[in-house]
Amino acid sequence: GAVVSQHPSRVICKSGTSVKIECRSLDFQATTMFWYRQFPKQSLMLMATSNEGSKATYEQGVEKDKFLINHASLTLSTLTVTSAHPEDSSFYICSALTDYGYTFGSGTRLTVV
Amino acid sequence: AQSVTQPDIHITVSEGASLELRCNYSYGATPYLFWYVQSPGQGLQLLLKYFSGDTLVQGIKGFEAEFKRSQSSFNLRKPSVHWSDAAEYFCAVGAQNAGNMLTFGGGTRLMVKP
Repeated sequence: GAVVSQHPSRVICKSGTSVKIECRSLDFQATTMFWYRQFPKQSLMLMATSNEGSKATYEQGVEKDKFLINHASLTLSTLTVTSAHPEDSSFYICSALTDYGYTFGSGTRLTVV
Repeated sequence: AQSVTQPDIHITVSEGASLELRCNYSYGATPYLFWYVQSPGQGLQLLLKYFSGDTLVQGIKGFEAEFKRSQSSFNLRKPSVHWSDAAEYFCAVGAQNAGNMLTFGGGTRLMVKP
C-alpha cells in the first residue's frame, strides 16, 4: 500500500518551454506532498511542500513563479517547470507522508536542451 | 534547524565483508530517522526507520541501524555485503514539528568489489 506514481520518468524539452510532472497517490489520500530536486551525485533538496487545497510553501531560494505546484485534489499534485532552462535539468522526486511513513515517487529525469 | 551529515562520500567494500555507513544528525528533540537506498536513476527505497523504542532497528535486505542519542548518530550496518548492495545510501531526519519535511544527508555511494 501507499504507492505514489510519478510521471513522466524521463522528459527532454527545449529551452523556454514548460514541463509538467505529476504525482498521484494510488491507494491513499495525500494531504501533504513534498517536492525534491536532486542534482547529479548530490543529495535531495526540498523545494516545496504542498498541501491539498492551499498554496505551496517554498524553500528559500526556490522561485515559486518558475516552479508552479498545484495540489488541487487529495490524489494528485503537479510540479510545472515554466520557461525551463538547461540549469533546471535535474532529477525531481515527489514524496507523500502516509500513516506508514514517507513514500516516494520513482522520480523524473528532466533534461533541458 | 535539523541537519544530517554523512561523513563518507564514497565507500568501497569487498563482497562478503561487513559494512557500516555513518550518519550524524542535529536536532533539538527526538528525531525520526530513516535510511534510504537509491539505485542509479531510480527513486528511493526505505531500508528502515526509527521513531521510538528499541534503538536497534532491523530493516530490509539484512540491514540494521542503531540510534545512539549520546552520539547523535544512526549508523547503518550490514554483516555481509552483496554485489547488489552497490548504490547510493541516504540518511534522513524528520520531526513532527518541522512540517513533517525530511532533511537528507549528502549520501554515501557504496561500491562493492568482487
